[in-house]
Amino acid sequence: DTEVTQTPKHLVMGMTNKKSLKCEQHMGHRAMYWYKQKAKKPPELMFVYSYEKLSINESVPSRFSPECPNSSLLNLHLHALQPEDSALYLCASSQDGKGAPSEQYFGPGTRLTVT
Amino acid sequence: AQTVTQSQPEMSVQEAETVTLSCTYDTSESDYYLFWYKQPPSRQMILVIRQEAYKQQNATENRFSVNFQKAAKSFSLKISDSQLGDAAMYFCAYRRGSWGKLQFGAGTQVVVTP
Repeated sequence: DTEVTQTPKHLVMGMTNKKSLKCEQHMGHRAMYWYKQKAKKPPELMFVYSYEKLSINESVPSRFSPECPNSSLLNLHLHALQPEDSALYLCASSQDGKGAPSEQYFGPGTRLTVT
Repeated sequence: AQTVTQSQPEMSVQEAETVTLSCTYDTSESDYYLFWYKQPPSRQMILVIRQEAYKQQNATENRFSVNFQKAAKSFSLKISDSQLGDAAMYFCAYRRGSWGKLQFGAGTQVVVTP
């Protein structure tokens, strides 16, 4: 099973709203990622969690707040977003570790629209 | 810094024909991995194929194969017997070791015509 699930599939929110994106994997992977992707562009890395600890924050604005409650779950809390934050948000996971397969598996994404 | 370059914004291929997508990368590392991901209109990112830098043998997955030229830092993807379902954006990606960030190229849009 190489499935990463994400909810919701679509989200429309106003600039004053607070919402959360959820991601789940049951592959025993110890690294999880959030990416932002604009149309016709490659994904841009936002955050990396390794063994449930935040290991990389790519200078993402504080209106995006990641959380990793356990090794299978990853959340992205959204608050006071701007219209330019509208994008596809992708979650991914990988096994990582010396000698481990290094490929990342992606979820289907959440299409976010900020109005 | 590592960079990944895909110089073909779009490639068109007829059904049952073969198309080759190019990718070059720049690195001074010896331990790295290269990937091709496919993103169809649904926008689900799907891993197509993986190549370890230390392996000389080119990776193959069914109709998909790569030509890995380590000295030239080239990693092209060949799609044989193209099918309508192969129509998608294809991203080449690089990862240093087992822990590094995944770096993507700009993508190549593959159009398959009947």
